[in-house]
Formats: sequence, C-alpha cells, structure tokens
Amino acid sequence: EDQVTQSPEALRLQEGESSSLNCSYTVSGLRGLFWYRQDPGKGPEFLFTLYSAGEEKEKERLKATLTKKESFLHITAPKPEDSATYLCAVLDYGGSQGNLIFGKGTKLSVKP
Amino acid sequence: KAGVTQTPRYLIKTRGQQVTLSCSPISGHRSVSWYQQTPGQGLQFLFEYFSETQRNKGNFPGRFSGRQFSNSRSEMNVSTLELGDSALYLCASRKTGDEAFFGQGTRLTVV
Repeated sequence: EDQVTQSPEALRLQEGESSSLNCSYTVSGLRGLFWYRQDPGKGPEFLFTLYSAGEEKEKERLKATLTKKESFLHITAPKPEDSATYLCAVLDYGGSQGNLIFGKGTKLSVKP
Repeated sequence: KAGVTQTPRYLIKTRGQQVTLSCSPISGHRSVSWYQQTPGQGLQFLFEYFSETQRNKGNFPGRFSGRQFSNSRSEMNVSTLELGDSALYLCASRKTGDEAFFGQGTRLTVV
C-alpha cells in the first residue's frame, strides 16, 4: 500500500533560520512526487514536481530534492510569509490514474 | 488565466440532508479529481473524472457520488449527511501532465 510520511509535523523557525522538511514515501512505482503549499482555509498551491532520484527544483527560497525513498524541501533564509502547511504527495504508476496520495503535512511557522 | 473555481465556498447542512458541490476546472483541463480534507485524516481521494467518465474512485461509501459534464465542469453529491462528513472538499484539475491544480475548496459543516 502506498504511504507518505512527512516530518516534522510542525516546525518553528526564526526569520533567516534555514531548515529542511522531510517526505518519506513507499510506492510500487513512483510516477511523480509533488510538493504543495497550503494556507489556512485555502486550497493547496502547486510548488514542484520531481520525477527521478537526483532531481532538484528551485523556486525563490525553496529547493526540493528527491532520492529513491524520500524527498526534502529545503527552505533557505525563510521569511514570515513562508509560514504555511507544506504537503507532499505521490503518484504511483501501479496505482490508479489521478490518485494522489498525500502526507499529512508539515506546518511551518516563521517568526520575525 | 482563471484557476479552479469551487462553489459554494461555505455550506452548513443538517444531518440527513444531501448536498451538491460544484467545480469548474481550468480551461482546457479535462481531468477533475475530488478530495476530502479533515484535520485527522488529511487529504483523501474521493474520485476522478475524465471526459465525463469516472476513472477512479477512493475508499468512500456510496453516499458520495459525482459526475462530470461535457464542458468538464464537475459536481459531487453527498447524500444522508453525517456529522463526520464535515470537511473541506477540494477539487483539482489536470490537463495532460501530472500536476494537479486545486481550487479554494468548499467548507462543509454538518450540524
């Protein structure tokens, strides 16, 4: 059974304090791994797609990396506006089409 | 470019009632998926429609149903509402790639 586990559940950082969020996954065949950002009361906002081990994607202060068993979302010099819940999801070749399996997210708080 | 539009944004219903939620995907997107989000379970897949056909269904009771119209707009229906159905219901659309783009969701409260 496909599984996605995110850690930590919550992370508090000071502005400028870099850190990483972890997403561990178990799938029969990874078709893609996705990172989303979700603000309270809103829908998830697409950030990155990663397809193969070793792949990296960057956007402003965020960088996502992928290995065969996990993905990291690195946040460099975060700002208060980076505060949100970050969700990781996988799409499985062996599973059904369009069926994203989500982790429960990491709630990030960045204090000024 | 307009994003995924979900209506209504908020709903309050009584146990036993039924509810219909609507989703308009991004123009040109033919795949529409629905998810339920609760604090305890996170985001869980309900079903996916493509070209008016249900392509996949998650592990939810038959009270949850959906459909897709020829213009790719989709609706989901929940009958005989239970307190546990209170959640944020999210719709996501995809074009031909794998990236799914979500709407703002419909917050359903069952009392």
